[in-house]
Amino acid sequence: GAVVSQHPSWVICKSGTSVKIECRSLDFQATTMFWYRQFPKQSLMLMATSNEGSKATYEQGVEKDKFLINHASLTLSTLTVTSAHPEDSSFYICSMSIAGGVIGQYFGPGTRLTVT
Amino acid sequence: QKEVEQDPGPLSVPEGAIVSLNCTYSNSAFQYFMWYRQYSRKGPELLMYTYSSGNKEDGRFTAQVDKSSKYISLFIRDSQPSDSATYLCAMRGSGYSTLTFGKGTMLLVSP
Repeated sequence: GAVVSQHPSWVICKSGTSVKIECRSLDFQATTMFWYRQFPKQSLMLMATSNEGSKATYEQGVEKDKFLINHASLTLSTLTVTSAHPEDSSFYICSMSIAGGVIGQYFGPGTRLTVT
Repeated sequence: QKEVEQDPGPLSVPEGAIVSLNCTYSNSAFQYFMWYRQYSRKGPELLMYTYSSGNKEDGRFTAQVDKSSKYISLFIRDSQPSDSATYLCAMRGSGYSTLTFGKGTMLLVSP
């Protein structure tokens, strides 16, 4: 149980274009969703947290107008990287948590974004 | 001082060795402690979690938490090449779900 999927797994886009990444929970309903970014050989950096029906809360230094997060339902969240630039190239990972769950977060498999 | 400290490694061991991975933390409010395994270019996978102090065993894996020392460990017995991955510790307080992660320790188990 507690499977999280992400799509696409790998995307290459040109500088200036926008990219949307989807994150879905397949067998549970998530009350809170998280988006992380991970650079090579670095740990996970939390970008934002969102609850269903509420606006996302962004971490300091993360541009909310550049990284648009839509928590559409209890099973779906999307991250749109707008006007992507090469420095946005990274590994983006979503995770979800269950209300009342003590285990923590369930992570998606990640999306590798390369901006040329 | 960072909230969670973890040696990035890499830690190289031969197959069959006992592996010890550790994290220290500074926030005494942390109550839940997790270990995640992350293979290259994959999302983290929850291995074990522990509440408060104590030990927890699951197969070849044992998690230990010493809250008095603010120190947690993950032991892997009879390590296998398939255990080669980055291991991330994570922790949080009670009542909220945001996790604080360590940087991860890269483990390499050679056949």
